[in-house]
Amino acid sequence: AQTVTQSQPEMSVQEAETVTLSCTYDTSESNYYLFWYKQPPSRQMILVIRQEAYKQQNATENRFSVNFQKAAKSFSLKISDSQLGDTAMYFCAFMKQRTGNQFYFGTGTSLTVIP
Amino acid sequence: DVKVTQSSRYLVKRTGEKVFLECVQDMDHENMFWYRQDPGLGLRLIYFSYDVKMKEKGDIPEGYSVSREKKERFSLILESASTNQTSMYLCASPPPLGGADSLQDTQYFGPGTRLTVL
Repeated sequence: AQTVTQSQPEMSVQEAETVTLSCTYDTSESNYYLFWYKQPPSRQMILVIRQEAYKQQNATENRFSVNFQKAAKSFSLKISDSQLGDTAMYFCAFMKQRTGNQFYFGTGTSLTVIP
Repeated sequence: DVKVTQSSRYLVKRTGEKVFLECVQDMDHENMFWYRQDPGLGLRLIYFSYDVKMKEKGDIPEGYSVSREKKERFSLILESASTNQTSMYLCASPPPLGGADSLQDTQYFGPGTRLTVL
């Protein structure tokens, strides 16, 4: 079975500062995808960034980047120059590369950006 | 630019009622999922479907059933609603992996249905 662990239920960061959200996962699969989703208060789940396990290069999307350590099964999200709009619940997710493509989610990290 | 829609944002039902939650995707994806989201528990998979008329149980299927008669529509059914089914229900439809979707084209989740069972 696949498990995804987010050990930080809540975090806060000052506006314009950098914050890193942690995620670890456990799997016996060799081919898979990892995602970070953002869910603003009372709003839709939005994909922030994704990483293919076969790629060694860390994914980046503007102010968002990941530190993917495949051997350690670690997938952290770094948010640079934090903005008030980054306040949200962040979910780390794992997806196997096979029929069904089922997501496995962590329990989430609630991030608050402080003005 | 709507990709995944859900029939209701908010729903209030009474114990024992039969409840239908509808999800529609316009991306021609094979895979569709129903999750429930509860504080401190993250998202838990109820059922998923990887083709029309195909369905698989997820981690918490008890008290639920699903229907996938057409590719674009995946329905979640609460046969007899109970108060412990009060939750946020999220539908998702990810693309086939290895596709060329840009990140901007990967809004795989619906807006969610907040169901309250009284």
